Amino acid sequence: DIQMTQSPSSVSASVGDRVTITCRASQGIRDFLAWYQQRPGEAPKLLIHSASTLQSGVPSRFSGSGSGTDFTLTISDLQPEDFATYYCYQAISFPRTFGQGTKVDIK
Amino acid sequence: QVQLVESGGGLVKPGGSLRLSCAGSGFTFSDYYMSWIRQAPGKGLEWVSYISRYSDAIYYADSVKGRFTISRDNAKNSLYLQMNSLSAEDTAVYFCATLIIREYFEYWGQGALVTVSS
Repeated sequence: DIQMTQSPSSVSASVGDRVTITCRASQGIRDFLAWYQQRPGEAPKLLIHSASTLQSGVPSRFSGSGSGTDFTLTISDLQPEDFATYYCYQAISFPRTFGQGTKVDIK
Repeated sequence: QVQLVESGGGLVKPGGSLRLSCAGSGFTFSDYYMSWIRQAPGKGLEWVSYISRYSDAIYYADSVKGRFTISRDNAKNSLYLQMNSLSAEDTAVYFCATLIIREYFEYWGQGALVTVSS
């Protein structure tokens, strides 16, 4: 199975900050990676797929990069609605796996 | 608009069974691959199962293989998850989701809580 490891596990930030979350796969996954945002009590929301493709309707302050084993989600100009937990996810092989999550909270 | 509504969750004793349903509307159900994903209380997301448009490709997480069965009825716009031999470790909110380009969860239901406890 492919293990997905996110860092950090949590980050405290302020509105307007730039936040970077990394995700490392235990083996190469090309660009078969997505990022999800989950607010408390809500279903997850797809932000980015194929490592860097912004899902329709997602603000452009979200961006993704990487290929192979190392990936990054960047949130520029953090907004109040961005305080949430973020998960990476690999879709190259079964079983599919998520990272453990990164909680972005208010400093 | 696209809507997914899960039902069938509830409290069940260890060793028991439960069948979840996911009703889709606002889209052509048979056009989409589907999955179940779960989230234990206070924990992260765990992929559970995947089914192709015409049920010819089905996959499971190791943690549920042999106990859970995914199925769909395109005529009824519905996805199912039959869960047998349930244990406390299966306690979670279960989400159904559509997949885009067969790979990524695009639309999600609101989730159905399954609690396994004596």
